[in-house]
Amino acid sequence: ETGVTQTPRHLVMGMTNKKSLKCEQHLGHNAMYWYKQSAKKPLELMFVYNFKEQTENNSVPSRFSPECPNSSHLFLHLHTLQPEDSALYLCASSHAGGVRSEAFFGQGTRLTVV
Amino acid sequence: KQEVTQIPAALSVPEGENLVLNCSFTDSAIYNLQWFRQDPGKGLTSLLLIQSSQREQTSGRLNASLDKSSGRSTLYIAASQPGDSATYLCAVRTNSGNTPLVFGKGTRLSVIA
Repeated sequence: ETGVTQTPRHLVMGMTNKKSLKCEQHLGHNAMYWYKQSAKKPLELMFVYNFKEQTENNSVPSRFSPECPNSSHLFLHLHTLQPEDSALYLCASSHAGGVRSEAFFGQGTRLTVV
Repeated sequence: KQEVTQIPAALSVPEGENLVLNCSFTDSAIYNLQWFRQDPGKGLTSLLLIQSSQREQTSGRLNASLDKSSGRSTLYIAASQPGDSATYLCAVRTNSGNTPLVFGKGTRLSVIA
């Protein structure tokens, strides 16, 4: 248990579906991140939120839409995805700045697009 | 643009051996470096965090070193056990604590009983 919880753990969706991934942290962190992990590739940063404001969008297609309503919650809304979007989606949180900006990750959501 | 490389990509050792995993990064202006462990299909577990001003950090059988000027870090695992089998990821945060982590592809470790 890292203090970062992701739901659901597994998701299968069709290309015309709309679904959302949820991330919640109870560590008092003020920065939250979405990463994508595909086979044989390094983790790819998707979005960064600092103090609820989006500070980085790493050229992510618009079919992925993040939402950060408060410092403890982060969502990733999905619509009209492609099969190549199948991957493990990881959420992380940390303190933004400071001496110990150690990142903690959730268990991930395994997404399969059919 | 920061790039992180981990060598070897995979490693298989007998139980009880000491081993070293390597990580190199192209931009030495890092804020900190973090080592993670990932079990198959799971999330990342933070193992050690080294600030740019530090040379090493230790936790139990794990010791991570940092040589910022040469752009290298090593993770030393003493007396390896089958339960250490996992993928080990190195990640660096460049410039400030506000920048996100940049990851290597990881080293997949198998410890054979």
